[in-house]
Amino acid sequence: DTAVSQTPKYLVTQMGNDKSIKCEQNLGHDTMYWYKQDSKKFLKIMFSYNNKELIINETVPNRFSPKSPDKAHLNLHINSLELGDSAVYFCASSREMRETQYFGPGTRLLVL
Amino acid sequence: GESVGLHLPTLSVQEGDNSIINCAYSNSASDYFIWYKQESGKGPQFIIDIRSNMDKRQGQRVTVLLNKTVKHLSLQIAATQPGDSAVYFCAENMAGGTSYGKLTFGQGTILTVHP
Repeated sequence: DTAVSQTPKYLVTQMGNDKSIKCEQNLGHDTMYWYKQDSKKFLKIMFSYNNKELIINETVPNRFSPKSPDKAHLNLHINSLELGDSAVYFCASSREMRETQYFGPGTRLLVL
Repeated sequence: GESVGLHLPTLSVQEGDNSIINCAYSNSASDYFIWYKQESGKGPQFIIDIRSNMDKRQGQRVTVLLNKTVKHLSLQIAATQPGDSAVYFCAENMAGGTSYGKLTFGQGTILTVHP
């Protein structure tokens, strides 16, 4: 009965590859987010979707493309992976914007 | 610009002591503040939040204090336990503008509780 789940948990890949991370929430929330946490533990928002509509789009390379097929899912596709993309990516959800955000367990991406 | 910072990156306490983790924020437009706990290998876990119309909020063993005058936020953990060892983040959220709904996280404080 995991509230916010992500797959895969670990992802090791070569530079230049394209990869996707999936996120699902079973909380019935309307808003979902993607965050990136770097090696110094700094957490920064990347995207936010509310009712499948893109609300927040931070200064993120356009190699990163979020997709929300429905309110319960928010996937992150990354093209042409670079070394600097190595990080932990967290998905989160909230009932509405500016409500408490609940985080998934994270996807540890390592680009070699 | 927007920024949330922590005074101390690490804090070591003995089991049973009270812990205080501090956070300074610079954006006076922020009106919603949240504390998260992140254990090793896990995602951030919500602890407690406070809105700007309050200056204190209590939970189970935790208290958050907000001082809007000096833009300061603190998290107090009573009777700290080894299971409290984690990285603690404060985060701020602004009411409007282009940052509506966007959580800005602070640097994080590593809390280590010694038995």
